[in-house]
Amino acid sequence: DIQMTQSPHSLSASLGETVSIECLASEGISNYLAWYQQKPGKSPQLLIYYARSLQDGVPSRFSGSGSGTQFSLKISNMQPEDEGVYYCQQGYKYPNTFGTGTKLELK
Amino acid sequence: EVQLVESGGGLVKPGSSLKLSCVASGFSFRSYGMHWIRQAPKKGLEWIALIYYDSSDKYYADSVKGRFTISRDNSENTLYLEMNSLRSEDTAMYYCAKFYSSGFDYWGQGVMVTVSS
Repeated sequence: DIQMTQSPHSLSASLGETVSIECLASEGISNYLAWYQQKPGKSPQLLIYYARSLQDGVPSRFSGSGSGTQFSLKISNMQPEDEGVYYCQQGYKYPNTFGTGTKLELK
Repeated sequence: EVQLVESGGGLVKPGSSLKLSCVASGFSFRSYGMHWIRQAPKKGLEWIALIYYDSSDKYYADSVKGRFTISRDNSENTLYLEMNSLRSEDTAMYYCAKFYSSGFDYWGQGVMVTVSS
């Protein structure tokens, strides 16, 4: 199975700050990488697919980059509603594995 | 509006069986592969099963292979997950999800399955 390693495990950011979350795949997955945000008690929400494509309705302060084995999610201009847990997920091979999650809090 | 609504969860004893349902609306259900994903309490996301749009192929995570069966009824816009020989480690919120490009663009609200004696 492809292992997805996320870092950091948690971070806190001030209002307006830019943060980045990294995701490392144990083997090449081309650009078959998605990012999700999950808020407490809610289902995950797709933010980014194909590593850098923004899902409809997602604010443009979210952006994704990377290919192969290294990927990152950038959140510019941190807002209170951006608090939550973020997961990466590879869609290259089954099982479609998820990263371990990054908890983002407002400082 | 796309909606996925799961049902069928509950509290069961180890070794029991349970069948989850997911009713889809707002999109052409018969055209998309559908998945089940679960999340144990306070834990991360675990993909567990996929069924192709026409049921021609199915894939399972090793953790559920041989115990869980995914199926669908395109005439009823419904996805199923039959779970047998349930274990305490199967305790989780179970989500059905629609696959799009490289990710899951719509998720249900989830249904809780608790396996405990």
